[in-house]
Amino acid sequence: QVQLVESGGGVVQPEKSLKLSCAASGFTFSKYAMHWVRQAPGKGLEWVAVISHDGSTEYYTGSVKGRFTISRDNSKNMLYLQMDSLRPEDTAVYFCATQNQASFDNWGQGTLLTVSS
Amino acid sequence: SYDLTQSPSVSVPPGQTATITCSGDKLGDRYASWYQQKPGQSPLLVIYQDDKRPSGIPERFSGSNSGNTATLTISGTQTMDEADYYCQAWDGSIGVFGGGTKLTVL
Repeated sequence: QVQLVESGGGVVQPEKSLKLSCAASGFTFSKYAMHWVRQAPGKGLEWVAVISHDGSTEYYTGSVKGRFTISRDNSKNMLYLQMDSLRPEDTAVYFCATQNQASFDNWGQGTLLTVSS
Repeated sequence: SYDLTQSPSVSVPPGQTATITCSGDKLGDRYASWYQQKPGQSPLLVIYQDDKRPSGIPERFSGSNSGNTATLTISGTQTMDEADYYCQAWDGSIGVFGGGTKLTVL
């Protein structure tokens, strides 16, 4: 079955960097666009970024554009999110998710990022 | 940017029908999806492409989308359906979520 496992979260100071990973299994990873979605504590879901199935196209929400970079390694079935110049408002649980038929049909369990001095 | 609006909360007695709405400009021209999220869990897709149920989602969950409003309907609501529900659509390749609706079954 489809499995998405995020890792790399933790506590980081403002203006520092961190890289999240998402290990995918149970499906043909290279065929699907992949997304990062985050959820601040006690808040709703916020879409963050998408990367096309072959890694050729990326899009970002405005608040992270220029600071976050989504990437993937199809040979390793891995999705990444490089986060630079982190801000307290980036504090959230970060989920990776697959895109299928115009929806997010599989989600990981999430990894918590806390940005605090 | 494209915005989706949901009512913050909905309450329904067990066994009754819960209706959760999501509004956006010409939302009916886009596909809408719905996600259920229980405390401490990841979101779960319950409706995609306006009105389709993924495998394993009970038949009591149904969806519609027309004009400016998408609707998630839960017929014969059960206590296990108590959760936050989020609508979602696309602004080009950008994902957009509604603010979420807390469904209370009491």
